[in-house]
Amino acid sequence: EVQLLESGGGLVQPGGSLRLSCAASGFTFSSFVISWVRQAPGKGLQWVAAINNRGDGTYYADSVKGRFTISRDNSKNTLFLQMSSLTAEDTAVYYCAKRTSPLSPSFDYWGQGTLVTVSS
Amino acid sequence: QSALTQPRSVSGAPGQSVTISCTGTGSDVGGYNYVSWYQQHPGKTPKLMIYDVNKRPSGVPDRFSGSKSGNTASLTVSGLRAEDEADYYCCSYAGETPWVFGGGTKLTVL
Repeated sequence: EVQLLESGGGLVQPGGSLRLSCAASGFTFSSFVISWVRQAPGKGLQWVAAINNRGDGTYYADSVKGRFTISRDNSKNTLFLQMSSLTAEDTAVYYCAKRTSPLSPSFDYWGQGTLVTVSS
Repeated sequence: QSALTQPRSVSGAPGQSVTISCTGTGSDVGGYNYVSWYQQHPGKTPKLMIYDVNKRPSGVPDRFSGSKSGNTASLTVSGLRAEDEADYYCCSYAGETPWVFGGGTKLTVL
């Protein structure tokens, strides 16, 4: 059974930093692109960042470019999101999501999410 | 990259059909056959319902179907059931971006 389990969320002050993790199991982690997708309270889904299966290709939404860094450790089946210079607009539930296949850029499995709250 | 445009809400009676539209541009919806749709019940994780415009993952009822014409994709839910009431989001591959979501549509089963 595919499982994605996020952790690391919490309350952080504006301008602060936070590191999210996503532990994967039930599939060959090193074979798939994984993304972070966030959802602000009461709002829609927003793609944030993605990383290729080898970890040498990363992609970011304009809103987080230069502030967020996505990485992965294939030996530990874990995805990370290092977030810095956080603002209130970054407050959201952050989901990690697995790409369906190399041929389909959709997301077939999602974690349960971890809440990041940026507030003083 | 601007979000894809979806209606804020749609509704239908049990047994009826509803269609949710998702409008983008030639750089996303119109440029690729990679539109996906996600169902999200309140407090729950998004669930993939349609991928690659019109393909259904295993376990998704065939009451759910997808299509695309030009820069607009559509999700049709036939034979509405109470459990279909949820938020629905479209998503398109967009090349360099590379993913963009719609703003979401609340489906109400009357």
